[in-house]
Amino acid sequence: EAQVTQNPRYLITVTGKKLTVTCSQNMNHEYMSWYRQDPGLGLRQIYYSMNVEVTDKGDVPEGYKVSRKEKRNFPLILESPSPNQTSLYFCASSTGDSIYNEQFFGPGTRLTVL
Amino acid sequence: AQKVTQAQTEISVVEKEDVTLDCVYETRDTTYYLFWYKQPPSGELVFLIRRNSFDEQNEISGRYSWNFQKSTSSFNFTITASQVVDSAVYFCALSEAGTNAGKSTFGDGTTLTVKP
Repeated sequence: EAQVTQNPRYLITVTGKKLTVTCSQNMNHEYMSWYRQDPGLGLRQIYYSMNVEVTDKGDVPEGYKVSRKEKRNFPLILESPSPNQTSLYFCASSTGDSIYNEQFFGPGTRLTVL
Repeated sequence: AQKVTQAQTEISVVEKEDVTLDCVYETRDTTYYLFWYKQPPSGELVFLIRRNSFDEQNEISGRYSWNFQKSTSSFNFTITASQVVDSAVYFCALSEAGTNAGKSTFGDGTTLTVKP
C-alpha cells in the first residue's frame, strides 16, 4: 500500500530533550516536506526537500533540523524542544516528475512539550 | 511572498444546502499551482484538486466544483447538496514554480459543519 508513515504518532516530552520524528514514504517520491498545524493557523511549512541531500527552509524552520540521506526517509529533528513547538506535525511527499503534483500526507504526529 | 487567504473561519449549513468556500491568493509568479485539501474529523489530509495557473477551466466532480478566476486571484470551492460527511476543515494551498519552487503555502482553513 502506497503510504507515508510517521513515528511516533503521539509524543509527550520535556523542554530540552532532543527528539526525532521519523517520516518514511514507499512511493519513490523525490519531494518531501514537513508541516506543523496549529489551531487557526493552518499548515505552515517547516522544511522541504527536493531530492536526496537537498533541503531548504520553509516558513517556520527555527528550532528544527532535517536530513535527507535516503530518498524514502526525511526525519524531523528537534535538538532542544520548547513548549512553543507543541503542535501537530505532518510529513508529506510528492512525485518527482512534478513537485507540483498533489502531496500525500502522513497520519500526523501530535507532540506535546512540557 | 506568496499568501493564501481563507476569510471564512467557520461555516455551518444544513444538509442539502449548497455552500461555497472562498480562497484568495497572492503570488508574483506567473506559473503556480493551487490545491484544495480536506481534513475530516479523523485528522488525515486528503487531496481534492489541483489547478495550474494556465488552466482557468472550472471543474466539476460529482457534488464538488471549483471556480478559478485569475482576474480576482480566487479559487473557490462549492459543494452542492451538502451532506453530513462533508463536515471537515478545508484548506486551500499555493505552490509557486519560480525561485520559491518547493515552498507550499496553506490558508488557515475553513471549518465546515453540515447539520442533519
